[in-house]
Amino acid sequence: GESVGLHLPTLSVQEGDNSIINCAYSNSASDYFIWYKQESGKGPQFIIDIRSNMDKRQGQRVTVLLNKTVKHLSLQIAATQPGDSAVYFCAESLNQAGTALIFGKGTTLSVSS
Amino acid sequence: EPEVTQTPSHQVTQMGQEVILRCVPISNHLYFYWYRQILGQKVEFLVSFYNNEISEKSEIFDDQFSVERPDGSNFTLKIRSTKLEDSAMYFCAHSFGDGVSEQYFGPGTRLTVT
Repeated sequence: GESVGLHLPTLSVQEGDNSIINCAYSNSASDYFIWYKQESGKGPQFIIDIRSNMDKRQGQRVTVLLNKTVKHLSLQIAATQPGDSAVYFCAESLNQAGTALIFGKGTTLSVSS
Repeated sequence: EPEVTQTPSHQVTQMGQEVILRCVPISNHLYFYWYRQILGQKVEFLVSFYNNEISEKSEIFDDQFSVERPDGSNFTLKIRSTKLEDSAMYFCAHSFGDGVSEQYFGPGTRLTVT
């Protein structure tokens, strides 16, 4: 999950806006991807995941898009709220239990009201 | 989301001392992991553990580190002789088992080596 080119270390948005956080992953063999949210002083919190046989998956207010051709992952947050302010990490892995998650560099999302 | 707990929340130790970090497992979780995060940096994988054996480890996980699950209870990470650069947040994570990859993280232990 190294973030190259499209990675922004910080993103500032207004409450109610949509946020898009990008991540470029490094391993072509990776077939499982997760987005985590990390608030200050806490552990990573699972947001949403996607397997390589999909290119889009939706959750509650969040959507993950996967482009395997360019090894790009994005997290879209709809109607961003102040409580969404945190550091967001993408992680890549093989789609099997017990394998390491490789984390990318985080993006700090700041939401102002 | 299943909750993972870790103790202590903060550990201060002197260089060269041994530390043991503990993770309280969730009963139906089969896979356990340790990760660390140096302040301001990304989360790094250390080791995964299944059926009382290490299944995968990173370059960081050298001979100074060990893991065990004594009596099938707490999952522990031991650092035998701490160095200043071991100062970091250490996170335990769990996942259910085969075919299910989501890893759930604990709140972490902040280790400070002085």
